[in-house]
Amino acid sequence: DAGVTQSPTHLIKTRGQHVTLRCSPISGHKSVSWYQQVLGQGPQFIFQYYEKEERGRGNFPDRFSARQFPNYSSELNVNALLLGDSALYLCASSLVFQGADTQYFGPGTRLTVL
Amino acid sequence: AQTVTQSQPEMSVQEAETVTLSCTYDTSENNYYLFWYKQPPSRQMILVIRQEAYKQQNATENRFSVNFQKAAKSFSLKISDSQLGDTAMYFCAFGAYSGGGADGLTFGKGTHLIIQP
Repeated sequence: DAGVTQSPTHLIKTRGQHVTLRCSPISGHKSVSWYQQVLGQGPQFIFQYYEKEERGRGNFPDRFSARQFPNYSSELNVNALLLGDSALYLCASSLVFQGADTQYFGPGTRLTVL
Repeated sequence: AQTVTQSQPEMSVQEAETVTLSCTYDTSENNYYLFWYKQPPSRQMILVIRQEAYKQQNATENRFSVNFQKAAKSFSLKISDSQLGDTAMYFCAFGAYSGGGADGLTFGKGTHLIIQP
């Protein structure tokens, strides 16, 4: 079975632009979470979606938004990019939305903002 | 809010040795899970082991085992017979079992483990 997939692998944007990152969960998983991992740090929770509804949100500005589609795939959108948004963006899928449910991570999308 | 602290930024051991990575956490939750994730240089985060807080027995997965001390809020990872492929960043993570909204996982800053040949 395929694991969590993310696209694109790498992305370079300039300040003020908009970006969309995509994620497909493991087959059968209904929850997708997004994390931001700045170089040298652990991942920080951005969003969790379950059955197309937002179930949790971390401490990120409104420039960050996400949605989940009927096939449980998800996209993360970031508007008005700042230099500080440069990071590895990780998607994780789980069966349900409980924080204790084991989350399986994708390979990530490396975003560089110039 | 939960916090997770990993006090060892980097550790280096010889192949075949045993190494222990430390993790402490702070929470007011009663029901929760703890995880160790491994992130090799290829960057994909891989689950190493998980521990349910309500279980007294420490989790083990082959060469990996944990020492879970609930009262002390400590959750260390022991790697026995270390191998070159164990070289990676290791993250300790906390997940609360909540009936309401989800807070995701709270991660520590990680420990860079280097296995020397």
